[in-house]
Amino acid sequence: EVQLVESGGGLVQPGGSLRLSCAASGFTFSSYWMLWVRQAPGKGLEWVANINQDGNVKQYVDSVKGRFTISRDNAKNSLYLQLNSLRVEDTAVYYCMTTSRSVAHDYWGQGTLVTVSS
Amino acid sequence: DVVMTQSPLSLPVTLGQPASISCRSSQSLVNSDGNTYFNWFQQRPGQSPRRLIYKVSNRDSGVPDRFSGSGSGTDFTLKISRVEAEDVGVYYCMEGTQWPWTFGQGTKVEIK
Repeated sequence: EVQLVESGGGLVQPGGSLRLSCAASGFTFSSYWMLWVRQAPGKGLEWVANINQDGNVKQYVDSVKGRFTISRDNAKNSLYLQLNSLRVEDTAVYYCMTTSRSVAHDYWGQGTLVTVSS
Repeated sequence: DVVMTQSPLSLPVTLGQPASISCRSSQSLVNSDGNTYFNWFQQRPGQSPRRLIYKVSNRDSGVPDRFSGSGSGTDFTLKISRVEAEDVGVYYCMEGTQWPWTFGQGTKVEIK
């Protein structure tokens, strides 16, 4: 059974930092792209960042470029998202997910809530 | 960025009746490799999203066959042949052809 378990969310002041983690199991982690998707309270879904299998290709949505960093550790089957210079508008549930555009492989974690507020 | 526009945004349906959601993209989603990376997701109340359909018309594992996807280029449709109570939630279209992958606004499906 595929499992993705996020951790690291919480309440942080504007300008602060957090590091989100995602522990993966039940599939060959090193074979798939990994992504972070977020959902602001009561709002829709937004892709944040993705990373390829080797970790040498990373892409970010414009609103987080230069502030967020995605990384992975294939030896630990883990995905990370470093969030710096946080803004109120970054408040959201952050989902870790794995997907393939071409085959039936698409799994999501339960999400971790990041609240940016003074 | 590609803009995805869904309609309707709210869809009251009768149990056992069909339902249809449309999604239009601001540009063609045909990739240079010839594939169209268009997806549909379902998010039930209080749950994480899950993908239903990938590459326009392919169902993901465990997705009931009452869900079907169709379309090409810029216009796509999700159909539910007979709505069941467990289908209540928000449905999102999403393009995966060019980064940043973008979602539609979501269509809320509820039972009349």
